[in-house]
Amino acid sequence: GAVVSQHPSWVICKSGTSVKIECRSLDFQATTMFWYRQFPKQSLMLMATSNEGSKATYEQGVEKDKFLINHASLTLSTLTVTSAHPEDSSFYICSARDPGSGGNLDTQYFGPGTRLTVL
Amino acid sequence: KQEVTQIPAALSVPEGENLVLNCSFTDSAIYNLQWFRQDPGKGLTSLLLIQSSQREQTSGRLNASLDKSSGRSTLYIAASQPGDSATYLCAVLAGAGKSTFGDGTTLTVKP
Repeated sequence: GAVVSQHPSWVICKSGTSVKIECRSLDFQATTMFWYRQFPKQSLMLMATSNEGSKATYEQGVEKDKFLINHASLTLSTLTVTSAHPEDSSFYICSARDPGSGGNLDTQYFGPGTRLTVL
Repeated sequence: KQEVTQIPAALSVPEGENLVLNCSFTDSAIYNLQWFRQDPGKGLTSLLLIQSSQREQTSGRLNASLDKSSGRSTLYIAASQPGDSATYLCAVLAGAGKSTFGDGTTLTVKP
């Protein structure tokens, strides 16, 4: 199946710094990518939808100025956590949409995740 | 708004037992449903993907069924092993490509 990579897989940073996480679709072009966040012992919650060449669409309650999303190419989306605080510590997972031939073949492929710890 | 519920939240079984995990969703207008496994502190491992036009998928000891009209899916694990211990998540892919996840079932298989 298709592969989606994330970099870095693990990052520790000091409070107040910014952290950039990359999400790449390795063998298909993804016009749409998604960013999810998972707090300990909770499920994944969608943060935003990243569309190539346009602004991201954020879910209710997600601060767009804090979580900057850029989808500059069909294979790369980045999430930047600005002025990170300890409460931003979480597991961030991206997914890339492969529309296939449309309809029922529309599938999302998930990256391995990035664990962010803010001290 | 799509809501996904997984029952039970936690399950502990002795090795060798067959078991069933349940997933229900409120909006039947879905593209597909996917079952994942997540080990502690790790990312998602895709187990089975069922397209909306399909009724079941099988991979080794795993079998997933989908009844779209009733909004239900089950994941059947045969002859469970300690290595199957993990959290199992189901996710429904609906319009605009968004996936909605359930809260997961944490499975413990005791040797």
